[in-house]
Amino acid sequence: SQQGEEDPQALSIQEGENATMNCSYKTSINNLQWYRQNSGRGLVHLILIRSNEREKHSGRLRVTLDTSKKSSSLLITASRAADTASYFCATDAKDSNDYKLSFGAGTTVTVRA
Amino acid sequence: NAGVMQNPRHLVRRRGQEARLRCSPMKGHSHVYWYRQLPEEGLKFMVYLQKENIIDESGMPKERFSAEFPKEGPSILRIQQVVRGDSAAYFCASSPQTKPGNQPQHFGDGTRLSIL
Repeated sequence: SQQGEEDPQALSIQEGENATMNCSYKTSINNLQWYRQNSGRGLVHLILIRSNEREKHSGRLRVTLDTSKKSSSLLITASRAADTASYFCATDAKDSNDYKLSFGAGTTVTVRA
Repeated sequence: NAGVMQNPRHLVRRRGQEARLRCSPMKGHSHVYWYRQLPEEGLKFMVYLQKENIIDESGMPKERFSAEFPKEGPSILRIQQVVRGDSAAYFCASSPQTKPGNQPQHFGDGTRLSIL
């Protein structure tokens, strides 16, 4: 079954606004990662947060992790047109071998100019 | 360009033909992962290889699909006797260590396979 599930499926915002998307997962994890995928391209790694971390920042990105709720959120502040993409969370289940990453179906973000 | 290189970017095959997808990992990376992505869906793990070894192929269909990562040359994902349901984007990723959960994976731009 899908380990990571993103919510919402799609998000449309105005340039300059913030975008927030969530990821829920089912089993205990070692780490959670967020990736971005532009149309027709491969995935680009954005940020990794370990299970013992609660929050992490990278530029305009802020990721939180709540292991008690098995959920994570990705916040993009002051969005730009270039942020238009699909965003995926990926987890590695604690009981599995570390190489297996499970991806959700993604959140498609459209930033309007 | 030291990134993960996949070719071809687009591949069209007729039902029953064979499809060969190639992936050259990033320089210095010896671990390769193949994923399949259907439209509007996330990536599904297929197979994990190290040089000359298949470590885990649990996500790969047992029939018609095979993968290799020879000592020299790119990793190859091979699909024999393709069917319409094989139409998808196939992505390759690489990493330098055996614990991708602790490291980002580096992805190629994928091969979009279309079956007529």
